[in-house]
Amino acid sequence: NAGVTQTPKFRVLKTGQSMTLLCAQDMNHEYMYWYRQDPGMGLRLIHYSVGEGTTAKGEVPDGYNVSRLKKQNFLLGLESAAPSQTSVYFCASSYGGQETQYFGPGTRLLVL
Amino acid sequence: GENVEQHPSTLSVQEGDSAVIKCTYSDSASNYFPWYKQELGKRPQLIIDIRSNVGEKKDQRIAVTLNKTAKHFSLHITETQPEDSAVYFCAARPSGYSTLTFGKGTMLLVSP
Repeated sequence: NAGVTQTPKFRVLKTGQSMTLLCAQDMNHEYMYWYRQDPGMGLRLIHYSVGEGTTAKGEVPDGYNVSRLKKQNFLLGLESAAPSQTSVYFCASSYGGQETQYFGPGTRLLVL
Repeated sequence: GENVEQHPSTLSVQEGDSAVIKCTYSDSASNYFPWYKQELGKRPQLIIDIRSNVGEKKDQRIAVTLNKTAKHFSLHITETQPEDSAVYFCAARPSGYSTLTFGKGTMLLVSP
C-alpha cells in the first residue's frame, strides 16, 4: 500500500514548455486534490475532483488543467509554463469529502 | 469563501516549554478544523482535528481547542521536544463542502 504517490519528484522547465504531473493513490479514494505551496503562502487549492470523470476549480486554477480519467489517478497539466508557476505541488486524496486528506510527497517545479 | 488567518508565523521555544498556535476563520458554517505538521522537505501530515460539536480534543502532548462563537481555534503542544520543530498548518472546511482552506503556516523551532 503506497498511499499517495507523485511523479516526477523534481522538474526544471523553460518558460512556455508544457508538462503533466501525475498523482496516483491506491486507497480507493473518491476525492483528489492538487495544491501548490509557496513560501509564506500556505497550501492553496488549484483544482480538485470528487470522483472519476469530474473536476472542479479551486482557489488558484489559472494556467492549469486537470483530468481524472481513472479513479486512482489525477493529472495536473501546465500548457505553457510561466516563472510564476515555480512552486512545490502537492496532491492529496480522501475517501469522502468530509474525511481526512492524505498528501503525496510533492513535486518541486522550477520554471526558468 | 472561507478565509483562515494563522498566528504567529514563527515561534521559538525552549525544549520542555509549551507552544500555542492560533487560527481564526471567517465562515460561520465551517465545522471541521484539522491541523497538519510538515517537516522540512516532507509532506503535510494530519496530527489532530476537531469538529464543531466538541470544544476540545487531546492526543498525548497535543490538544486543540475550538471557540465557535469567536470563530477561532488553537493548537497546544506541551513539553515540546526538538522533533516537534516543523511548520504547522491549520485549516477549516465549511459544512457540506469538500475543500479545505489553509492558514499560511507557523514555523515552530524547539531549541534543546
